[in-house]
Amino acid sequence: NAGVTQTPKFQVLKTGQSMTLQCAQDMNHNSMYWYRQDPGMGLRLIYYSASEGTTDKGEVPNGYNVSRLNKREFSLRLESAAPSQTSVYFCASSKRGQVPGELFFGEGSRLTVL
Amino acid sequence: QQQVKQSPQSLIVQKGGISIINCAYENTAFDYFPWYQQFPGKGPALLIAIRPDVSEKKEGRFTISFNKSAKQFSLHIMDSQPGDSATYFCAANGSARQLTFGSGTQLTVLP
Repeated sequence: NAGVTQTPKFQVLKTGQSMTLQCAQDMNHNSMYWYRQDPGMGLRLIYYSASEGTTDKGEVPNGYNVSRLNKREFSLRLESAAPSQTSVYFCASSKRGQVPGELFFGEGSRLTVL
Repeated sequence: QQQVKQSPQSLIVQKGGISIINCAYENTAFDYFPWYQQFPGKGPALLIAIRPDVSEKKEGRFTISFNKSAKQFSLHIMDSQPGDSATYFCAANGSARQLTFGSGTQLTVLP
C-alpha cells in the first residue's frame, strides 16, 4: 500500500549542481503535481501533469523542469541548483474526475543547496 | 501573491479546548475548500472539505464553517487532543483546477 513514493528523501547539493527528484504513484491516478514547501509560504505549485503526456507550469516554475515518464512516474529536475531552491519538495497525485482538492501526497524530499 | 490568507501562524491550546484556524480568500471563482493536516516528516493529508453552497460541515471533532459573503472559512477542532498537534493548511480550488494553499498553522495541544 505504497501510495506516492518519492526519492531521495534527503539531498545536499552545491550551487550549480543538477539533480532529479523521482516520484511514482501506484493508485492509477491520472494527475500528478510537484509542490515546494517553505516556512510561512505554505505549499506552492511548481508544475503539474493533468494526464500522461501533458505538463503545465504552476505558480513557481522557474529553475525547474519536469517529465511525465508514464502514468505512474513524474520527475522534477533542477538543472543548476541555487540556494533559493532549498526547500521540501512534495509530489502528489489525484484521480481525474475526482474533486480536485483531494490530493494524495508523498512524504517529501528535503533539498539543501549550499 | 497570497490568494488565501491563513491565521494564526501558530496556536497553542490546552487538551480539551477548541482550536480555531481562519482563512480568507479574494477569488470568487474558488469553488472547493479543503483542509489538510500534516504531521512532522510526513506529507499533507486531506482532513475535511466544503463547497461554497454549504455553510457548515462536520466530521467528528472537526468542523468547517464557511461564510461566502465575507469570503472566509474556518476550521474548528473540538475537544482538542495532543494527537491533533500538527500543521494545518487551508486551500481553495479555482477554475484552473489547481489548489492554492494558505501559509499554514502550527497547532500544539498541551496535555
